[in-house]
Amino acid sequence: AQTVTQSQPEMSVQEAETVTLSCTYDTSESDYYLFWYKQPPSRQMILVIRQEAYKQQNATENRFSVNFQKAAKSFSLKISDSQLGDAAMYFCAYRRATGANSKLTFGKGITLSVRP
Amino acid sequence: DSGVTQTPKHLITATGQRVTLRCSPRSGDLSVYWYQQSLDQGLQFLIQYYNGEERAKGNILERFSAQQFPDLHSELNLSSLELGDSALYFCASSDHRTALVEPGAGYTFGSGTRLTVV
Repeated sequence: AQTVTQSQPEMSVQEAETVTLSCTYDTSESDYYLFWYKQPPSRQMILVIRQEAYKQQNATENRFSVNFQKAAKSFSLKISDSQLGDAAMYFCAYRRATGANSKLTFGKGITLSVRP
Repeated sequence: DSGVTQTPKHLITATGQRVTLRCSPRSGDLSVYWYQQSLDQGLQFLIQYYNGEERAKGNILERFSAQQFPDLHSELNLSSLELGDSALYFCASSDHRTALVEPGAGYTFGSGTRLTVV
């Protein structure tokens, strides 16, 4: 079974600084997808960024980028120029590539606070 | 508005009771997923339905059941409620056709139902 581990329960960053959130996963699959979701106080789950395992190039979305290390099974999220609106809980998630509608497996999440 | 509608938003009930949570997926999405989010367990996958049929089952208790109706809305039934069932219950939907073209596409989540068992 696939597992996703987020070992840091909380992190804090100064506004305008850069922060990296860690995630590791375990799978025997060679093809899969990885995601970072953001959950602000509104509780809405918002997709931040996704990465296809077969792509070596790290995904980027504006201020958000990932460091995907397939051999190490590591998938960290870097937030640059942190803003107050980035304060939220962040979840790392995994999905198998086989099956167009397979489930997401989530880590336990990390609470990010942004200091003004 | 994500397009996935969950009702009610909040629910307070007593132990031993039964409740029904409802989810209307985004228009055109055939798959519905239910997740439970508790403080100590994070987001746990409960069950998935695809076009009316159960597709996958996760850590769903026997006291819980779900179904997807012909109009594609889904209901999650929780019975003999215990204090530990207090959690945020999310529904998500995905589009099979989009998933075929863009397999890495994420899912669309509803805003959740906060269940409090007292």
